[in-house]
Amino acid sequence: EVQLVESGGGLVQPGRSLRLSCTASGFIFGDYALTWVRQAPGKGLEWVGLIKSRPFGGTRESAASVEGRFTISRDDSKGIAYLQMNSLKTEDTAVYYCSRTVVVGATYYFDYWGQGTLVTVSS
Amino acid sequence: QSVLTQPPSVSGAPGQRVTISCTGSSSNIGAGYDVNWYQQLPGTAPKLLIYGNSNRPSGVPDRFSGSKSGTSASLAITGLQADDEADYYCQSYDSSLSLVMFGGGTKLTVL
Repeated sequence: EVQLVESGGGLVQPGRSLRLSCTASGFIFGDYALTWVRQAPGKGLEWVGLIKSRPFGGTRESAASVEGRFTISRDDSKGIAYLQMNSLKTEDTAVYYCSRTVVVGATYYFDYWGQGTLVTVSS
Repeated sequence: QSVLTQPPSVSGAPGQRVTISCTGSSSNIGAGYDVNWYQQLPGTAPKLLIYGNSNRPSGVPDRFSGSKSGTSASLAITGLQADDEADYYCQSYDSSLSLVMFGGGTKLTVL
């Protein structure tokens, strides 16, 4: 059974850093890209970024709203993806989901999702 | 404001058919990029409903179907049930922004 479990969320002050983890099981982690998606309270889904698998170069893509502040990485030996969030802003407050990502040419879809972890940025 | 436009809400009675539209442009849906759909039940994580415009993952009932034409896509739900009440999101890729995009979401209410 494919499972994704996010952890590391919590309350953090503006300007500080936080690292989220996404622990995967039930599939060959190294064969898939991983994506982070967030959802602010009462709002829609917002794509944060993704990291491709090594066969696809392990390249990263990210949304303009987090470019230069958030970094996605992965440890294929542990089956874990990370979202390092620096210089956090109040508008980064959201539930953060990780999802297993299927790459189809130049596009992607997200076939399994974790339960999400809440990040609250507030003083 | 999302690049992919969805109606904020739709509604229907049990047993009826509803459709949810997702309107894009020549740099995303119109450029040939696939549209995918997700269902988010209240208080839960999103779930993949349709991928590659019209394909259903294993376990998704055939009451759900997707289509795409030109710069738009649609999700149709037939035989509406109470537990279909959820938020629905379309998703594609935009070549001018080089980004994955979600629609703003549509809240389905079963009357």
